[in-house]
Amino acid sequence: SQQGEEDPQALSIQEGENATMNCSYKTSINNLQWYRQNSGRGLVHLILIRSNEREKHSGRLRVTLDTSKKSSSLLIMASRAADTASYFCATESRGSTLGRLYFGRGTQLTVWP
Amino acid sequence: GAVVSQHPSRVICKSGTSVKIECRSLDFQATTMFWYRQFPKQSLMLMATSNEGSKATYEQGVEKDKFLINHASLTLSTLTVTSAHPEDSSFYICSARDQGSGVNTEAFFGQGTRLTVV
Repeated sequence: SQQGEEDPQALSIQEGENATMNCSYKTSINNLQWYRQNSGRGLVHLILIRSNEREKHSGRLRVTLDTSKKSSSLLIMASRAADTASYFCATESRGSTLGRLYFGRGTQLTVWP
Repeated sequence: GAVVSQHPSRVICKSGTSVKIECRSLDFQATTMFWYRQFPKQSLMLMATSNEGSKATYEQGVEKDKFLINHASLTLSTLTVTSAHPEDSSFYICSARDQGSGVNTEAFFGQGTRLTVV
């Protein structure tokens, strides 16, 4: 039932560098959301972008959405070691129950000090 | 901000026993809650949609007799893993959404429950 695909599956960078993760999905959506998960922990909501939005910023995060290509990207600028975590995109499909999310496979980000 | 509390955070049980996991929305009403399962190093898989006062809606391939869901109030949903087996060992996470907040608002997730069946 998962409809998202993310790449890369793993990303390893140095502190200060930018990290970019991509997500593709299959259906029409109300919105796309990005979450962070530290190992073995719950999810932390990062940002929500609506289907009629193309770009959104929150602090060091920038999210883009291209509904024609059914894809999104998450950019973490000036990364820090504390950004090390798994990042997931999740979509809320149009016409689906509000809050019902389908997750991508995730990207494991490692930021080296 | 809205908070969802999930309990217990960890549980170890013997094969054949049942385990109940609770998911509570602490400061908002959630007519709908969602249960996900996550295997190590994998993504979250939606298991079912829990509906207050009615039967849960299960995703394809999820055994409803194995994973019993009860949503008896506007702030509590429970997932019971019945007759647990080692292959049921996993990380279970619930989420809830404030239905009064309109379209295009975030869902809030519990802290997750690590179930180990021995």
